This record gives sequence, structure tokens and C-alpha cells, in this order.
Amino acid sequence: QKEVEQDPGPLSVPEGAIVSLNCTYSNSAFQYFMWYRQYSRKGPELLMYTYSSGNKEDGRFTAQVDKSSKYISLFIRDSQPSDSATYLCAMSGNTNAGKSTFGDGTTLTVKP
Amino acid sequence: GAVVSQHPSRVICKSGTSVKIECRSLDFQATTMFWYRQFPKQSLMLMATSNEGSKATYEQGVEKDKFLINHASLTLSTLTVTSAHPEDSSFYICSASRGQGISYEQYFGPGTRLTVT
Repeated sequence: QKEVEQDPGPLSVPEGAIVSLNCTYSNSAFQYFMWYRQYSRKGPELLMYTYSSGNKEDGRFTAQVDKSSKYISLFIRDSQPSDSATYLCAMSGNTNAGKSTFGDGTTLTVKP
Repeated sequence: GAVVSQHPSRVICKSGTSVKIECRSLDFQATTMFWYRQFPKQSLMLMATSNEGSKATYEQGVEKDKFLINHASLTLSTLTVTSAHPEDSSFYICSASRGQGISYEQYFGPGTRLTVT
């Protein structure tokens, strides 16, 4: 069983929809939770990170972490065609020298 | 800020030859650089972690004699795939970190598509 599970999709939504992306994990030592966006044939770019449990909002993006359930989410409001990409969740502990464990990514398509 | 480049972006080589991929942090000094490979529709698989001036730390199952990593300066790390075979064809991505082991302070390069014929 993988340490981080992420539904690969693909997920297709109409423009303006609210998108919910999720990951579950098994390692209770994870403290940092990141979401990356990766366009086709490009490197990932960091969207948001949270430390421990809670919510964090940045514009149209909201990240949620529920450590009791080992479940994290990324919500995208008012989705745009430019949001079409693969979204990767990643997690790490406090003392692993910056190494992260990545989910497999969810491919999202936002249709105009 | 925090721009990472990779060169080349795409390379095709013949089986048995060696290929070098460069990763540069353009506007910051990278204490640590990471090398990943990514297969289609799969996640990033960490290959190795390199710190400037010291030997790279390889993940389990990654052949250090096949994937040579050099981190000669705070802005440059290289990955050399030696005696490449078709199964080495993949998307190789580096990331650079200026933090002291802080996972979210990783900035990724645009990746290098390697095709071995």
C-alpha cells in the first residue's frame, strides 16, 4: 500500500465549477502538506502548503488538512480553463531533510 | 525569484551512450538539490538527494553507478545517465532547495525528456 493515495481521475468539470481534489495518507509523522500543479511536460509548481491541521486560503484555492482522518483536500473555486493540469499532493515530516512523498496526481480538465 | 532551469529540455540518445542533464538555480543558492524521474501518468519518484560538495544520497533501488550525480556548486547539479538503455527513457526533473531541509521550499525545474533508442 502506498503511503499517499490520490485518485488519478481524470476529472472534467465545466468552467466556473468548484473542484475538490483529495489525498489520503498513512504516515502519521507527516506534518507538511503541499499541493503542486503540473502542466503537461513541465515541472511541478507549488500552489500551497499547510503545516499540521487546518485550512489555508489563497485566492480561489483552499487547502484543508484533517490529520485525525489522514485526509487532505484542495478546493478550487470558480475554476478556469487555465486550471487544467495535473495536481499533485505531497507530504513530509519534520526531520526528513526536505524529502517529500508525492501522490500520483489527479488530472483536471476545465471545459469552457 | 526561485527559478530553476534544466538543460537540455529534450534529448534522444542511442542505447549504450551516456547523457548529462544539468540543473541550475538561477537566482538563489541551492543547499540541496533533488533528482526525480516521472513515468507517464505517474508521480515523481525521488532518485537521489545531493548537497553541495558532498556525495549524493541515493534512494533504495537506484543504481548510483548508473545515475551519477555531481553537485559541484551551490547553483549547479548534474545527473549523468551512463550506458543508457531504452528502459531509462523517462522524464527527469530536478528541484532545488535553499531552505535547511524544509520540504515546501523546493523549486522544480521544467524537466528533461530522455528517449533512449
